[in-house]
Amino acid sequence: DTGVSQDPRHKITKRGQNVTFRCDPISEHNRLYWYRQTLGQGPEFLTYFQNEAQLEKSRLLSDRFSAERPKGSFSTLEIQRTEQGDSAMYLCASSLTDRGIYEQYFGPGTRLTVT
Amino acid sequence: AQKVTQAQTEISVVEKEDVTLDCVYETRDTTYYLFWYKQPPSGELVFLIRRNSFDEQNEISGRYSWNFQKSTSSFNFTITASQVVDSAVYFCALSEEGNNRLAFGKGNQVVVIP
Repeated sequence: DTGVSQDPRHKITKRGQNVTFRCDPISEHNRLYWYRQTLGQGPEFLTYFQNEAQLEKSRLLSDRFSAERPKGSFSTLEIQRTEQGDSAMYLCASSLTDRGIYEQYFGPGTRLTVT
Repeated sequence: AQKVTQAQTEISVVEKEDVTLDCVYETRDTTYYLFWYKQPPSGELVFLIRRNSFDEQNEISGRYSWNFQKSTSSFNFTITASQVVDSAVYFCALSEEGNNRLAFGKGNQVVVIP
């Protein structure tokens, strides 16, 4: 069974540049989540999709951030005009939710460094 | 609002000792779900266990066991006979019914000394 994959694993960018990350969830999972984790902290929720619909966004997701899941499969997270404060690990997770809440399975993350 | 508190930051144990990680949660929902995740040095979060609020039965799975007590809002996790491979950061997380986000604690860094 293929797990959640993320690309790239590492990204170094200069302040002000745009970056885009990709997440491929476990194939039969209908929900996809994005989290951000900074050093020494637990992951913080950013947004989630059920199939192609984006159902919830955190206050952390400023207007410089946008996420899509166009066909209900893979998802992209774009950060425009990056700032040094955006440096973090960006984690993607997926779950299969028919009834109730099922555990989320995480990908390896994309580590973003903004210089 | 959902909140998870993990008080200890770093815990060091000698191999084969038991280690217990404390987790206290806050929620207004009567139906919720609790999780433990492991984050080894490689960085990938690994799902360990899930518990539903309506099921307080405590279980043992291999060297892992957990103690869920609704009366004290605690969901503690124990590793028995620790091994070096258990060295990692362990996160407790909470999800409320109808609210799909996971709220994580700050994590416990476990260091197992050979």
